[in-house]
Amino acid sequence: DAGVIQSPRHEVTEMGQEVTLRCKPISGHDYLFWYRQTMMRGLELLIYFNNNVPIDDSGMPEDRFSAKMPNASFSTLKIQPSEPRDSAVYFCASSRDRVNYGYTFGSGTRLTVV
Amino acid sequence: AQTVTQSQPEMSVQEAETVTLSCTYDTSESDYYLFWYKQPPSRQMILVIRQEAYKQQNATENRFSVNFQKAAKSFSLKISDSQLGDAAMYFCAYRIPYGGATNKLIFGTGTLLAVQP
Repeated sequence: DAGVIQSPRHEVTEMGQEVTLRCKPISGHDYLFWYRQTMMRGLELLIYFNNNVPIDDSGMPEDRFSAKMPNASFSTLKIQPSEPRDSAVYFCASSRDRVNYGYTFGSGTRLTVV
Repeated sequence: AQTVTQSQPEMSVQEAETVTLSCTYDTSESDYYLFWYKQPPSRQMILVIRQEAYKQQNATENRFSVNFQKAAKSFSLKISDSQLGDAAMYFCAYRIPYGGATNKLIFGTGTLLAVQP
């Protein structure tokens, strides 16, 4: 089991550019979550999917953020256009349907927007 | 709404000693799950221990144990025989056992643990 795989590990981009973060969940996990971590706001849930369907996107900060899960093994989080305040660590996590399990997190993507 | 509170932003412990990290939560649910996650400088989020609310027995994983007080809505983490590798940010988290739209893991703000040699 390779765990949850995120790419890239680090991303530096200029303000106004499009950024795409990628995630491959653990095979067999029905849920996929995108979190953002900052010093000021801690860990925030942005959006999560169940069986590739978005269930709750109330945490997505604004229309510049979008997420997709075209199949069970891949998800993207896109920011367009990016702004300096989007700088954070973005985590992807996946979980089995049985909710007594915790999530398995990826290693995160550190995004810096300059 | 469910909330998770960690009142200790930072803690310090001597190597080989025992330390307890505090966590309280607010919920109207009777059935739920609680977790402690560790985030070392590598930033990887690692599940340390979990507790089912319907179980009275406190969970234990090697040097890590919890003190779960359901009536007080308290869920503290005890680390025994602290090691240098235990230095990390520790997050308490809560999750209700239903699927669908309510399937969320809610995190506290974290406690940064330093281990002194």
